[in-house]
Amino acid sequence: GESVGLHLPTLSVQEGDNSIINCAYSNSASDYFIWYKQESGKGPQFIIDIRSNMDKRQGQRVTVLLNKTVKHLSLQIAATQPGDSAVYFCAENIWGGTDKLIFGTGTRLQVFP
Amino acid sequence: DAGVTQSPTHLIKTRGQQVTLRCSPKSGHDTVSWYQQALGQGPQFIFQYYEEEERQRGNFPDRFSGHQFPNYSSELNVNALLLGDSALYLCASSSYGTGVQPQHFGDGTRLSIL
Repeated sequence: GESVGLHLPTLSVQEGDNSIINCAYSNSASDYFIWYKQESGKGPQFIIDIRSNMDKRQGQRVTVLLNKTVKHLSLQIAATQPGDSAVYFCAENIWGGTDKLIFGTGTRLQVFP
Repeated sequence: DAGVTQSPTHLIKTRGQQVTLRCSPKSGHDTVSWYQQALGQGPQFIFQYYEEEERQRGNFPDRFSGHQFPNYSSELNVNALLLGDSALYLCASSSYGTGVQPQHFGDGTRLSIL
C-alpha cells in the first residue's frame, strides 16, 4: 500500500514497550479531541476521544491525557504490538459547531521485534 | 453493520478534467464530511453536508463542490483539475444532534492528476 506520511516525525519502539505520542493543538476553544490511527492505504480509524472536562481517559491498552493549560494531548499505548505500527493523528473540534475536525501533523509509530 | 464506503478507490485524471467521488455513510449516520489528505500531511476539511445542505466549508476554492442525497450518501465534485489536487480524498460520517461522537472515516479515493 501507499505510505501515508513520508516525512513525519517517527517514534520507534520495541515490541512490548509502552509508547507515548504527543500532540500540540492549536485552538484554545477546542473542547473535544480524538486520536486516529491510519495504516498504509487505509482511512483514519478511531482509537479514543476525550472531552475538555476530563484530563484522562482510558481504553483498552490506550490512555489519552489532556492538558488544556499548555494545549497538549498525548496518547499512551501499553505493551506496543507490531499491529500498532501506523501513523497516529490527533484531531480537535469545537463541539456545538459543525464537526469540523482540525488534524495535527501526525506521528509515525514503528514497532520492532 | 457497514462502515463508510467510498468509490472509486483509485482514479487517474489529467489537468483540466472534472471528477466525481462518491461516499455512503455508516448506517445510522446522516452527516457527511469530506477531507483532502496530501501525502505526508493530516486531512484538511473541505466541507460538510447535512440535510442535503452544505453546513460549513473549509479553505477550498469553489472548484470543489458537493451534494448530499436523500439517502444521506454524498458526492464530491472537483472541476478544472490541477496537479495540486492529487491527494487522498476521505469521507467521514457522523450523526447530527446526538451528542459528542467521533467521525468515522472511509478508506478514501486516491486521486492522481497527470
